[in-house]
Amino acid sequence: DGGITQSPKYLFRKEGQNVTLSCEQNLNHDAMYWYRQDPGQGLRLIYYSQIVNDFQKGDIAEGYSVSREKKESFPLTVTSAQKNPTAFYLCASSPTGTGVYEQYFGPGTRLTVT
Amino acid sequence: AQSVAQPEDQVNVAEGNPLTVKCTYSVSGNPYLFWYVQYPNRGLQFLLKYITGDNLVKGSYGFEAEFNKSQTSFHLKKPSALVSDSALYFCAVRFPSGGYNKLIFGAGTRLAVHP
Repeated sequence: DGGITQSPKYLFRKEGQNVTLSCEQNLNHDAMYWYRQDPGQGLRLIYYSQIVNDFQKGDIAEGYSVSREKKESFPLTVTSAQKNPTAFYLCASSPTGTGVYEQYFGPGTRLTVT
Repeated sequence: AQSVAQPEDQVNVAEGNPLTVKCTYSVSGNPYLFWYVQYPNRGLQFLLKYITGDNLVKGSYGFEAEFNKSQTSFHLKKPSALVSDSALYFCAVRFPSGGYNKLIFGAGTRLAVHP
């Protein structure tokens, strides 16, 4: 089965702790993305990567970090510097190139920080 | 500034009636347009996209969307709504400059289909 997996589905952390969200894809896509979803605000881009060992900040990168050591994996770390980390986090991937490709989304991780 | 608007927070429709979920965009040039659907606590599922050509695009689950360049709109439609269509719908726009596949999403519209 091809797709994107995110783990865990629910994550609880205390304020001041860093936490890493997992995202794995077996679609052989070059590009991967992390979004944050808050009620009534749609999806906002945190980071994206178009190729292994390269990634770029999105619109709301402050307080987050990523790595892209393997094509299949794009973990997101929510650091203690993120002022309001409680949210639903979505990972996506897509092919790259000259075509117009839709993004494929994982099931999401709901992070609650108290 | 480039933006996407979904003017309705919620749309209520009776089962069997036609439905429309609205989307407008603000951009210079010709954008690529997408519709996604999200069920509770799930990721987004792709429904359809407009790249070029015929203004009426057909997608998954009986949905279609009409691109109107003069009104800068891309409304999602379905001739006969099902209760199972109840979900959160997102319009997204990709601007064609550069090779980066960046999508800008609208805030979402909740569709409620009543039996």
